[in-house]
Amino acid sequence: GNSVTQMEGPVTLSEEAFLTINCTYTATGYPSLFWYVQYPGEGLQLLLKATKADDKGSNKGFEATYRKETTSFHLEKGSVQVSDSAVYFCALSDRNSNYQLIWGAGTKLIIKP
Amino acid sequence: SAVISQKPSRDICQRGTSLTIQCQVDSQVTMMFWYRQQPGQSLTLIATANQGSEATYESGFVIDKFPISRPNLTFSTLTVSNMSPEDSSIYLCSGKDRAFTDTQYFGPGTRLTVL
Repeated sequence: GNSVTQMEGPVTLSEEAFLTINCTYTATGYPSLFWYVQYPGEGLQLLLKATKADDKGSNKGFEATYRKETTSFHLEKGSVQVSDSAVYFCALSDRNSNYQLIWGAGTKLIIKP
Repeated sequence: SAVISQKPSRDICQRGTSLTIQCQVDSQVTMMFWYRQQPGQSLTLIATANQGSEATYESGFVIDKFPISRPNLTFSTLTVSNMSPEDSSIYLCSGKDRAFTDTQYFGPGTRLTVL
């Protein structure tokens, strides 16, 4: 079945550091891939998405590229800020599963000033 | 995109009571979902709320414990029945705004504590 694996957290970085949060997936079809972010005490916000191989999703300085050959969708940002501290979830959606989202475990990111 | 609101935003309840959570979407959505997020965990799908018919529950969730209504395309409720401390979680609803699109938009969540 479909699954998503994220790097374990927490990830602690200093402000202006480079961020990578790894995400790999297993899917039988051709899924869409998502990153959602959950700020402390809030619900989930869609951060970015990619619907086919080699697509790059981007938003708020974050980027992720859909790599079919490595079944990966790693999240990157060149210079993180304290306000980026949150939990980041990688997810996939497959039309064969009626578009249900399959979630990674989430990665807590802590940015220190 | 769809904007989703939930009420209440948080509640503290006594064991054995029930709580109904409301989810309102600002536009018609084709599908609505209810999730549970236990402390420090990822999301678990409870059920898909179907307009005008019974919800479709995932394994491990039953209608008697989590009755769901969806009277129209913009509104749904989830009731957590006969609560115990193990039901303490964040409950989130989401909506998918068009057929054959796979992006879900989420409400802010309801933080439930059961004493």
